[in-house]
Amino acid sequence: DGGITQSPKYLFRKEGQNVTLSCEQNLNHDAMYWYRQDPGQGLRLIYYSQIVNDFQKGDIAEGYSVSREKKESFPLTVTSAQKNPTAFYLCASSMGPENQPQHFGDGTRLSIL
Amino acid sequence: GDSVTQMEGPVTLSEEAFLTINCTYTATGYPSLFWYVQYPGEGLQLLLKATKADDKGSNKGFEATYRKETTSFHLEKGSVQVSDSAVYFCALTDTGRRALTFGSGTRLQVQP
Repeated sequence: DGGITQSPKYLFRKEGQNVTLSCEQNLNHDAMYWYRQDPGQGLRLIYYSQIVNDFQKGDIAEGYSVSREKKESFPLTVTSAQKNPTAFYLCASSMGPENQPQHFGDGTRLSIL
Repeated sequence: GDSVTQMEGPVTLSEEAFLTINCTYTATGYPSLFWYVQYPGEGLQLLLKATKADDKGSNKGFEATYRKETTSFHLEKGSVQVSDSAVYFCALTDTGRRALTFGSGTRLQVQP
């Protein structure tokens, strides 16, 4: 079955550490996205990529970095510069045109030790 | 910028009751509109979508109509079930970035 795989499901970070969240899709989608979800809130856009080797900052990119070296992969690094990283992170992909829905992974919950 | 406003939750209903979750939006142009559902500890699943004015999206008994004149996309279901208990998100596509702008979500609790 085609879909989006996020790993790990749970992740713990010590203060001062960088951590990388994995996102892989086999839907052959051009566009990929990272969102952050905090309790009781909607999702906020961190980074997005419309095509391989290109990506743009979203609304809350500070303290995060991404790469898009392969069409199927869009890893997110949470750096030590992100002061409040505890959240639920969701990766999504879409065919690209705005009328196409985004498909979501099951998320990674990041907590600070 | 674009924004989506949803009714505050939680919404608590008895099984077989009628559901309405209000959603209004502010956007430039004519965005596509979506409803997503999230079950505990999971990602979001597309529930339905509408891409132009007066379109009606429907799925699993849920419906929503794209109303350009009132900038609304209210979610309705005639008879809810316990299994419909979840958080529902209204969203629109940002025409520039093609990313989603979400409302804050509405938690639905259906009691037997």
